[in-house]
Amino acid sequence: KAGVTQTPRYLIKTRGQQVTLSCSPISGHRSVSWYQQTPGQGLQFLFEYFSETQRNKGNFPGRFSGRQFSNSRSEMNVSTLELGDSALYLCASSLEYEQYFGPGTRLTVT
Amino acid sequence: KNEVEQSPQNLTAQEGEFITINCSYSVGISALHWLQQHPGGGIVSLFMLSSGKKKHGRLIATINIQEKHSSLHITASHPRDSAVYICAVSRSGNKLVFGAGTILRVKS
Repeated sequence: KAGVTQTPRYLIKTRGQQVTLSCSPISGHRSVSWYQQTPGQGLQFLFEYFSETQRNKGNFPGRFSGRQFSNSRSEMNVSTLELGDSALYLCASSLEYEQYFGPGTRLTVT
Repeated sequence: KNEVEQSPQNLTAQEGEFITINCSYSVGISALHWLQQHPGGGIVSLFMLSSGKKKHGRLIATINIQEKHSSLHITASHPRDSAVYICAVSRSGNKLVFGAGTILRVKS
């Protein structure tokens, strides 16, 4: 089975712009979770989608949003980018509770 | 106080040594996860456990629910074990709360 894929792998954006990241889960997995990793804050949970519905949400501002499609692929969007949004964004898919992580998208905001 | 505390933060070992990384948590959980992250960012799930002990190759993970404590052991450590080891707990669904990680370096 193919693993979790994320696109793009690297991205450079300017403050104020918006960005959309994509995650394709392992075939058959209906849950997709998103995480942000920074040197200062470590790994933090953003949100989880299950069957196209947001099931859990972390403590991030409304600039961070996501959605899930009927094929379980998920996107996350960050609007009005700030320098502090520079991070590695990871998604993980799961069938039940064990999570399988993608390689991440490294976002740099200048 | 963080919900998930790991110790030590940094660990240097000689090849062949027995290694222990500890994780304590402060709330009730549905499961505890041990993750491994290599330079470059990729994260691999090593164990998910809610009770007892699990073993995979040279890795052993234990959890004591009453004491809210888990340990990850690496037997006969090898330089390829060098990585960041992260403890995480889940309470509802797949929402994970992470420890700060333990940076392990195994010298040959």
